[in-house]
Amino acid sequence: GAGVSQSPRYKVAKRGQDVALRCDPISGHVSLFWYQQALGQGPEFLTYFQNEAQLDKSGLPSDRFFAERPEGSVSTLKIQRTQQEDSAVYLCASSQRQGLEAFFGQGTRLTVV
Amino acid sequence: AQRVTQPEKLLSVFKGAPVELKCNYSYSGSPELFWYVQYSRQRLQLLLRHISRESIKGFTADLNKGETSFHLKKPFAQEEDSAMYYCAVQNAGNMLTFGGGTRLMVKP
Repeated sequence: GAGVSQSPRYKVAKRGQDVALRCDPISGHVSLFWYQQALGQGPEFLTYFQNEAQLDKSGLPSDRFFAERPEGSVSTLKIQRTQQEDSAVYLCASSQRQGLEAFFGQGTRLTVV
Repeated sequence: AQRVTQPEKLLSVFKGAPVELKCNYSYSGSPELFWYVQYSRQRLQLLLRHISRESIKGFTADLNKGETSFHLKKPFAQEEDSAMYYCAVQNAGNMLTFGGGTRLMVKP
């Protein structure tokens, strides 16, 4: 089947607006990760799910960031009251289980104006 | 805390020349190290991981625990190797810590 799918591919938000980014992992993949990649930098870890359980959210930069995966498949990353520093590419990755290869989506490029 | 350093932002070589992309890491414990590659307009994908000890597309990487390095090497670069390369270390919790990336340009 298809790889990890993210939508939208591009999002422009006005400062203060709330946004929701969607990730469809590979079917059957237990582990799901969100990363933030600022321009010219490597991806930085945000949060990790195993099925529907959020096991690690230590990378979320503030309480404006919230992620969920209620049924253990699709995940949504929500950013409230967006700020300019939130502008980045948000990457989602999934793996069959812990320790196996992570497959990345194309990313969502968020621009906050 | 774990950290990955890729000292070169850009590496430019001619086709057929040897390539070495440097990666140094800091990690307490036994690290799992990876190289990821992103070709133009494509998604990030795994190139190789140190535990598999494979050679992928002619690339190899040796883990040197004494120098805490995991440099990526290829004896003869090809134009299709032009891409962004990211070194990463995986912790016990499964998350990856990436370096800042090196852009490899292979000139004809």
